[in-house]
Amino acid sequence: DAKTTQPPSMDCAEGRAANLPCNHSTISGNEYVYWYRQIHSQGPQYIIHGLKNNETNEMASLIITEDRKSSTLILPHATLRDTAVYYCIVSPRAGGTSYGKLTFGQGTILTVHP
Amino acid sequence: KAGVTQTPRYLIKTRGQQVTLSCSPISGHRSVSWYQQTPGQGLQFLFEYFSETQRNKGNFPGRFSGRQFSNSRSEMNVSTLELGDSALYLCASSSLDRGNTEAFFGQGTRLTVV
Repeated sequence: DAKTTQPPSMDCAEGRAANLPCNHSTISGNEYVYWYRQIHSQGPQYIIHGLKNNETNEMASLIITEDRKSSTLILPHATLRDTAVYYCIVSPRAGGTSYGKLTFGQGTILTVHP
Repeated sequence: KAGVTQTPRYLIKTRGQQVTLSCSPISGHRSVSWYQQTPGQGLQFLFEYFSETQRNKGNFPGRFSGRQFSNSRSEMNVSTLELGDSALYLCASSSLDRGNTEAFFGQGTRLTVV
């Protein structure tokens, strides 16, 4: 699986957009980009995933560069409840059909402050 | 739809003992994965089961084992517990159906070995 690089921490003001970058320069053609987050002491929560097109759902938007070597997760209006560790993962198929294996890095600690 | 249920939520065991953790996936999900989370190593993949068969295994010693039942419920077992096995153990389930392949995590079982 391709490795990802994320900043260790970021801050965001409540109500503003949070833009979390991820570098995955060695991504393969069949690998998707996934984002999960983990709020303290809870299990990770799926946010969004994409292959090469930009994606949007009720939680966030995912922008993937044309060369697919990097992506940005956008939380359009961050709230205090969005404070969490955000993980960017690349995996051969949606949801870990590389037989269930998601390779988590250290992620980005996002702190949303009032 | 009920989420992924892990039992027990908390457990304290003594070195040398063994422990069994349980995971009930979301109804209809046939893939169950297990992860270990520690402050030092982060989230690490243990193994994945699909239709009662282990399809993938992480880099853990043989003391860590698991199984899946015909109703997709899964158990993991750790024998001869060591202090370093203290961790949050997370279970995730996936449907692996077309278009619905994200992983859903339970709240985890926090194991403390003393």
